[in-house]
Amino acid sequence: DQQVKQNSPSLSVQEGRISILNCDYTNSMFDYFLWYKKYPAEGPTFLISISSIKDKNEDGRFTVFLNKSAKHLSLHIVPSQPGDSAVYFCAAIYSGNTGKLIFGQGTTLQVKP
Amino acid sequence: GAGVSQSPSNKVTEKGKDVELRCDPISGHTALYWYRQSLGQGLEFLIYFQGNSAPDKSGLPSDRFSAERTGGSVSTLTIQRTQQEDSAVYLCASSLDGTGRREYFGPGTRLTVL
Repeated sequence: DQQVKQNSPSLSVQEGRISILNCDYTNSMFDYFLWYKKYPAEGPTFLISISSIKDKNEDGRFTVFLNKSAKHLSLHIVPSQPGDSAVYFCAAIYSGNTGKLIFGQGTTLQVKP
Repeated sequence: GAGVSQSPSNKVTEKGKDVELRCDPISGHTALYWYRQSLGQGLEFLIYFQGNSAPDKSGLPSDRFSAERTGGSVSTLTIQRTQQEDSAVYLCASSLDGTGRREYFGPGTRLTVL
Protein backbone atom coordinates (compact mmCIF):
# COMPACT_ATOMS: atom_id res chain seq x y z
CA ASP A 1 0.00 0.00 0.00
CA GLN A 2 1.97 2.96 -1.36
CA GLN A 3 0.58 5.98 0.47
CA VAL A 4 2.91 8.44 -1.26
CA LYS A 5 3.57 8.05 -4.96
CA GLN A 6 5.94 9.66 -7.38
CA ASN A 7 4.87 8.30 -10.71
CA SER A 8 7.71 9.71 -12.78
CA PRO A 9 10.96 7.85 -12.11
CA SER A 10 12.97 10.40 -14.05
CA LEU A 11 12.85 13.89 -15.52
CA SER A 12 15.26 15.68 -17.82
CA VAL A 13 15.23 19.47 -18.33
CA GLN A 14 17.47 22.06 -19.88
CA GLU A 15 19.44 24.42 -17.69
CA GLY A 16 17.52 27.63 -17.05
CA ARG A 17 14.11 26.02 -17.61
CA ILE A 18 11.56 25.03 -15.01
CA SER A 19 11.59 21.58 -13.39
CA ILE A 20 8.28 20.29 -12.06
CA LEU A 21 8.29 17.20 -9.87
CA ASN A 22 4.99 15.66 -8.87
CA CYS A 23 3.77 13.65 -5.92
CA ASP A 24 0.39 12.11 -5.04
CA TYR A 25 -0.79 10.79 -1.71
CA THR A 26 -3.73 8.73 -0.55
CA ASN A 27 -3.91 9.26 3.22
CA SER A 28 -6.05 12.30 4.06
CA MET A 29 -4.58 12.35 7.57
CA PHE A 30 -1.24 13.62 6.28
CA ASP A 31 -0.86 17.23 7.42
CA TYR A 32 2.75 18.04 6.60
CA PHE A 33 4.72 17.43 3.45
CA LEU A 34 8.41 17.64 2.69
CA TRP A 35 10.81 17.37 -0.21
CA TYR A 36 14.24 15.86 0.23
CA LYS A 37 17.09 15.88 -2.24
CA LYS A 38 19.61 13.06 -2.46
CA TYR A 39 22.96 12.86 -4.19
CA PRO A 40 24.64 9.48 -4.78
CA ALA A 41 26.36 8.01 -1.72
CA GLU A 42 24.92 10.71 0.52
CA GLY A 43 21.93 10.83 2.81
CA PRO A 44 18.85 12.82 1.84
CA THR A 45 18.91 16.51 2.73
CA PHE A 46 15.85 18.59 3.54
CA LEU A 47 14.83 20.97 0.78
CA ILE A 48 11.45 22.53 1.50
CA SER A 49 8.21 21.73 3.31
CA ILE A 50 4.59 22.76 3.49
CA SER A 51 1.87 22.47 6.06
CA SER A 52 -1.59 21.32 5.00
CA ILE A 53 -3.03 24.68 6.04
CA LYS A 54 -1.13 26.32 3.19
CA ASP A 55 -1.25 25.82 -0.55
CA LYS A 56 2.13 27.27 -1.44
CA ASN A 57 5.54 27.72 0.11
CA GLU A 58 8.48 29.40 -1.55
CA ASP A 59 12.18 29.37 -0.79
CA GLY A 60 14.41 30.96 -3.39
CA ARG A 61 14.28 28.94 -6.58
CA PHE A 62 12.11 26.27 -4.97
CA THR A 63 8.34 26.41 -4.59
CA VAL A 64 6.07 23.68 -3.33
CA PHE A 65 2.38 23.67 -4.20
CA LEU A 66 -0.23 21.64 -2.34
CA ASN A 67 -3.66 20.74 -3.71
CA LYS A 68 -5.45 19.02 -0.84
CA SER A 69 -8.62 18.23 -2.76
CA ALA A 70 -6.58 16.38 -5.37
CA LYS A 71 -4.14 14.98 -2.79
CA HIS A 72 -1.35 16.24 -4.96
CA LEU A 73 1.77 18.28 -4.41
CA SER A 74 4.44 19.50 -6.73
CA LEU A 75 7.91 20.98 -6.47
CA HIS A 76 8.90 23.69 -8.92
CA ILE A 77 12.53 24.59 -9.47
CA VAL A 78 13.15 27.72 -11.49
CA PRO A 79 15.56 28.32 -13.02
CA SER A 80 16.99 24.79 -12.98
CA GLN A 81 20.74 24.43 -12.62
CA PRO A 82 23.04 21.46 -13.35
CA GLY A 83 23.77 21.21 -9.60
CA ASP A 84 20.10 20.42 -9.06
CA SER A 85 20.63 17.03 -10.70
CA ALA A 86 19.78 14.54 -7.97
CA VAL A 87 17.03 12.23 -6.74
CA TYR A 88 14.09 14.07 -5.22
CA PHE A 89 11.89 12.39 -2.63
CA CYS A 90 8.47 13.55 -1.56
CA ALA A 91 7.54 12.66 2.03
CA ALA A 92 4.53 13.06 4.28
CA ILE A 93 3.77 12.88 7.98
CA TYR A 94 0.76 13.29 10.19
CA SER A 95 0.84 14.89 13.58
CA GLY A 96 0.99 12.59 16.52
CA ASN A 97 2.41 9.75 14.51
CA THR A 98 5.94 9.78 15.93
CA GLY A 99 7.26 11.90 13.06
CA LYS A 100 8.09 8.97 10.84
CA LEU A 101 8.33 10.04 7.23
CA ILE A 102 6.37 8.21 4.55
CA PHE A 103 8.37 8.53 1.36
CA GLY A 104 7.60 8.27 -2.31
CA GLN A 105 9.83 6.26 -4.61
CA GLY A 106 11.81 9.27 -5.80
CA THR A 107 12.28 11.08 -9.10
CA THR A 108 15.71 11.40 -10.67
CA LEU A 109 16.16 14.89 -12.08
CA GLN A 110 18.80 15.57 -14.70
CA VAL A 111 19.48 19.18 -15.62
CA LYS A 112 21.43 19.43 -18.86
CA PRO A 113 23.82 22.35 -19.38
CA GLY B 1 28.96 20.87 14.24
CA ALA B 2 29.14 17.26 13.15
CA GLY B 3 26.24 15.72 11.31
CA VAL B 4 24.80 12.24 11.62
CA SER B 5 27.44 9.59 11.08
CA GLN B 6 27.01 5.93 10.25
CA SER B 7 29.38 3.00 10.18
CA PRO B 8 30.40 1.03 8.31
CA SER B 9 29.74 2.82 5.03
CA ASN B 10 29.69 -0.51 3.22
CA LYS B 11 29.15 -4.03 4.51
CA VAL B 12 29.29 -7.23 2.50
CA THR B 13 28.22 -10.36 4.32
CA GLU B 14 27.24 -13.91 3.61
CA LYS B 15 23.69 -15.13 3.89
CA GLY B 16 22.97 -16.34 7.40
CA LYS B 17 25.49 -14.12 9.17
CA ASP B 18 24.55 -11.41 11.69
CA VAL B 19 25.41 -7.76 11.08
CA GLU B 20 25.44 -4.63 13.23
CA LEU B 21 25.01 -1.17 11.82
CA ARG B 22 25.86 1.88 13.89
CA CYS B 23 24.43 5.39 13.97
CA ASP B 24 25.81 8.43 15.79
CA PRO B 25 23.14 11.14 15.80
CA ILE B 26 23.66 14.87 16.10
CA SER B 27 24.43 15.76 19.70
CA GLY B 28 21.32 16.80 21.58
CA HIS B 29 18.87 15.23 19.16
CA THR B 30 16.42 13.16 21.17
CA ALA B 31 14.66 11.55 18.23
CA LEU B 32 16.35 8.93 16.07
CA TYR B 33 14.95 7.05 13.10
CA TRP B 34 16.11 4.13 10.98
CA TYR B 35 15.02 3.80 7.36
CA ARG B 36 16.12 1.57 4.52
CA GLN B 37 16.15 2.04 0.79
CA SER B 38 16.04 -1.06 -1.34
CA LEU B 39 17.08 -0.91 -4.99
CA GLY B 40 14.70 1.28 -6.97
CA GLN B 41 12.49 1.94 -3.97
CA GLY B 42 11.78 4.86 -1.73
CA LEU B 43 12.86 5.06 1.86
CA GLU B 44 11.00 2.71 4.15
CA PHE B 45 10.60 3.47 7.87
CA LEU B 46 11.95 0.84 10.25
CA ILE B 47 12.00 2.14 13.84
CA TYR B 48 11.78 5.33 15.88
CA PHE B 49 13.55 6.13 19.15
CA GLN B 50 12.71 8.91 21.58
CA GLY B 51 15.59 8.90 24.01
CA ASN B 52 16.42 5.27 24.69
CA SER B 53 12.92 3.92 24.18
CA ALA B 54 11.38 2.82 20.91
CA PRO B 55 7.69 3.77 20.84
CA ASP B 56 7.35 2.82 17.20
CA LYS B 57 8.87 -0.40 15.87
CA SER B 58 6.16 -0.93 13.30
CA GLY B 59 8.48 -0.87 10.30
CA LEU B 60 10.80 -3.69 11.33
CA PRO B 61 10.19 -6.33 8.64
CA SER B 62 10.76 -9.42 10.79
CA ASP B 63 11.97 -10.54 14.20
CA ARG B 64 15.45 -10.90 12.71
CA PHE B 65 15.68 -7.12 12.94
CA SER B 66 16.28 -5.36 16.25
CA ALA B 67 17.67 -2.04 17.37
CA GLU B 68 18.75 -0.38 20.54
CA ARG B 69 19.84 3.05 21.62
CA THR B 70 22.02 3.77 24.61
CA GLY B 71 22.67 6.97 26.54
CA GLY B 72 20.17 8.75 24.37
CA SER B 73 22.80 8.82 21.67
CA VAL B 74 24.32 5.98 19.65
CA SER B 75 22.01 3.45 18.07
CA THR B 76 22.74 0.00 16.70
CA LEU B 77 20.57 -1.84 14.19
CA THR B 78 21.14 -5.59 14.25
CA ILE B 79 20.07 -7.99 11.55
CA GLN B 80 20.33 -11.66 12.45
CA ARG B 81 20.64 -14.50 9.95
CA THR B 82 20.80 -12.10 7.03
CA GLN B 83 18.95 -12.90 3.83
CA GLN B 84 19.56 -11.61 0.31
CA GLU B 85 16.42 -9.50 0.48
CA ASP B 86 18.00 -7.57 3.35
CA SER B 87 20.40 -5.99 0.85
CA ALA B 88 19.70 -2.26 0.91
CA VAL B 89 21.03 1.08 2.05
CA TYR B 90 20.23 1.59 5.72
CA LEU B 91 19.81 5.24 6.67
CA CYS B 92 19.70 6.81 10.09
CA ALA B 93 18.19 10.21 10.82
CA SER B 94 17.97 12.33 13.94
CA SER B 95 15.97 15.37 14.97
CA LEU B 96 15.52 17.65 17.93
CA ASP B 97 12.01 16.39 18.48
CA GLY B 98 9.75 13.67 17.19
CA THR B 99 7.63 15.77 14.86
CA GLY B 100 9.41 14.68 11.70
CA ARG B 101 9.50 18.23 10.44
CA ARG B 102 13.27 18.42 10.19
CA GLU B 103 15.20 15.19 10.16
CA TYR B 104 18.90 15.10 9.42
CA PHE B 105 20.11 12.00 7.64
CA GLY B 106 23.41 10.21 7.78
CA PRO B 107 25.16 8.96 4.62
CA GLY B 108 23.85 5.43 5.08
CA THR B 109 25.32 1.94 5.24
CA ARG B 110 25.15 -0.09 2.05
CA LEU B 111 24.53 -3.71 3.02
CA THR B 112 25.08 -6.46 0.49
CA VAL B 113 24.12 -10.01 1.41
CA LEU B 114 25.69 -12.60 -0.89
